Amino acid sequence: DSGVTQTPKHLITATGQRVTLRCSPRSGDLSVYWYQQSLDQGLQFLIQYYNGEERAKGNILERFSAQQFPDLHSELNLSSLELGDSALYFCASSRQRGSWDEQYFGPGTRLTVT
Amino acid sequence: QQPVQSPQAVILREGEDAVINCSSSKALYSVHWYRQKHGEAPVFLMILLKGGEQKGHDKISASFNEKKQQSSLYLTASQLSYSGTYFCGTEINRNRDDKIIFGKGTRLHILP
Repeated sequence: DSGVTQTPKHLITATGQRVTLRCSPRSGDLSVYWYQQSLDQGLQFLIQYYNGEERAKGNILERFSAQQFPDLHSELNLSSLELGDSALYFCASSRQRGSWDEQYFGPGTRLTVT
Repeated sequence: QQPVQSPQAVILREGEDAVINCSSSKALYSVHWYRQKHGEAPVFLMILLKGGEQKGHDKISASFNEKKQQSSLYLTASQLSYSGTYFCGTEINRNRDDKIIFGKGTRLHILP
C-alpha cells in the first residue's frame, strides 16, 4: 500500500459525459501527478500540481482539467468523453516539487467509456 | 522525447539474468525505474542522477552511462516475483516545468 488513495476504482460512463476522479496523496506529500495508461501505451504524463499550483503539463487534452485543493487532494475532470478516453488513470504523489523525486502511485481508476 | 526501451518483452527461466535498456537522444538529468505488476500500480525501484552512477538493492541494479543518454536495469538470478512490466522514466529538462516521460515498458515474464 503506497498511501495514495484514488476513488472511484471503476467508472463506466457514456460518450459525451463528464466525470471526476479523486486522489488523496500520501501524508506529507505536496506534489500530485496524474497519468493516463491505455492498453498499448506506457504511462502518459498529464499534469502535476505542487502545493495547490499547477507546475507542469504534459499531454493533457483541453477537455481535461485538474486542480489541487488546500487539503492537497486533487481532482481530475474529464469532459465530453470519447471512446478513446477509456484507460487506467493513475495519481501519484511525491514530497518535493521537482520531478526528480520518487513517486508513489495510487491503485488507479479504470474508466470505461461506452 | 519518449525514451526507447529494449527489449519490448523477455521470457526467462527462474535464476537467469536480464538486462533492460533505456535510451534517449538527448542527455538526461535523471532516469527513474518502476515496475508494474499486472493489475497493480507502478512501484518505484530507483533513480539515477549522475553520469557513471550505479545503484542497486538485492539483485536488482541499474547504471547510467557517462553521457547520461542511456540507462540499463540489471536483474540477477531472477525470481518469479520479478515478473511484470518495467518502465524507465526520463527527465530531460531541469526547469520550472520539468517532467518525467516514461518509455513504453519492457514486459518480463519469469518461468519456474
